[in-house]
Amino acid sequence: AQSVTQPDIHITVSEGASLELRCNYSYGATPYLFWYVQSPGQGLQLLLKYFSGDTLVQGIKGFEAEFKRSQSSFNLRKPSVHWSDAAEYFCAVGGSARQLTFGSGTQLTVLP
Amino acid sequence: SAVISQKPSRDICQRGTSLTIQCQVDSQVTMMFWYRQQPGQSLTLIATANQGSEATYESGFVIDKFPISRPNLTFSTLTVSNMSPEDSSIYLCSVRQGADSGTEAFFGQGTRLTVV
Repeated sequence: AQSVTQPDIHITVSEGASLELRCNYSYGATPYLFWYVQSPGQGLQLLLKYFSGDTLVQGIKGFEAEFKRSQSSFNLRKPSVHWSDAAEYFCAVGGSARQLTFGSGTQLTVLP
Repeated sequence: SAVISQKPSRDICQRGTSLTIQCQVDSQVTMMFWYRQQPGQSLTLIATANQGSEATYESGFVIDKFPISRPNLTFSTLTVSNMSPEDSSIYLCSVRQGADSGTEAFFGQGTRLTVV
């Protein structure tokens, strides 16, 4: 069965600082990996996705993520965080056409 | 991409009543899903809405409690029946435009339900 672990429930960073959100997955074959962001009162927006090829994936809003098969990880990064990045971030794995399996989410707070 | 309109955006309901949530997509989609997001929790899949046939429910969810309709490729409804405070959650409609495992999912803005 596929699963996703986001070990950090809540992260606080200062505006302008760098950010890394951790994601570990469990899946028997090559995974399809996604990062979504959910702002308060909003649905989920796709930041980026990985299917195959280059293990460093660029997304929207200046985010990137690196797939590391040896570590079963797909960490999300941003070199300089903006106050508008404060939101909840979900990592997901899609190994079946029926559904995505989501991690528990990481709440990001950005300090001025 | 797909634009999803979900209604209502929020509601406060009395226990024992039912609420029907609508999901309208601006294009025909292959897969439609309904998720529940309980307070402070991640998303849990309730069911896959199948066009022209009964929905496929995940473990822990039953048709009597969460009846789903999908009359065509752009519309679906989820009903939360005989509500209790434990049903207070955000309910999200999601679509994928292909059956391929790598197809990204698009989400509606959600329906925030409070049962009192």
